[in-house]
Amino acid sequence: DQQVKQNSPSLSVQEGRISILNCDYTNSMFDYFLWYKKYPAEGPTFLISISSIKDKNEDGRFTVFLNKSAKHLSLHIVPSQPGDSAVYFCAASSNRDDKIIFGKGTRLHILP
Amino acid sequence: SQTIHQWPATLVQPVGSPLSLECTVEGTSNPNLYWYRQAAGRGLQLLFYSVGIGQISSEVPQNLSASRPQDRQFILSSKKLLLSDSGFYLCAWSVYTYNSPLHFGNGTRLTVT
Repeated sequence: DQQVKQNSPSLSVQEGRISILNCDYTNSMFDYFLWYKKYPAEGPTFLISISSIKDKNEDGRFTVFLNKSAKHLSLHIVPSQPGDSAVYFCAASSNRDDKIIFGKGTRLHILP
Repeated sequence: SQTIHQWPATLVQPVGSPLSLECTVEGTSNPNLYWYRQAAGRGLQLLFYSVGIGQISSEVPQNLSASRPQDRQFILSSKKLLLSDSGFYLCAWSVYTYNSPLHFGNGTRLTVT
């Protein structure tokens, strides 16, 4: 049973536009959410996180939005740049254990 | 600053052979340690995690095992590899507190032939 779902395997966005990556979760105990970026043959790199006490967190071009009632979060990248082309993973954890559960990832292509 | 080392970077092993992947973390004490696997089309699957020496939690009870002989060392093993064990294995650490992100190594590409 997949607790963290990224339903879009891939996404193409024009350079300079906004990229919006979506993530849904099923476990209502999750209260800490993270986004990671991964290039081929490398380990994922932490981008940004959000605690369930917030509904928005911003860091430069990256903003994460959390909708607890819908069990949905999204990552906005604006403006999108060529170097943003990568696979993006959504992840979640709860304060009940030390596990961090990842989604299957969304491959983002930034078009010139 | 903290660093994580994972080796080897690539490995080709025949079916039925043993496996040992090693991961070490520097610059921090008592980290949480994790092993993940990325298989084609399956995202990042949590295999094992450890909150202290000798403490291992298994998420995927297959023919893999993990050990933590020292505070900052995490080892992934198998006695007999299967074809289905092929994948990209990632070690990660986090500070031993809640709401702490994972920091990943560069991974090991394992191909079982």
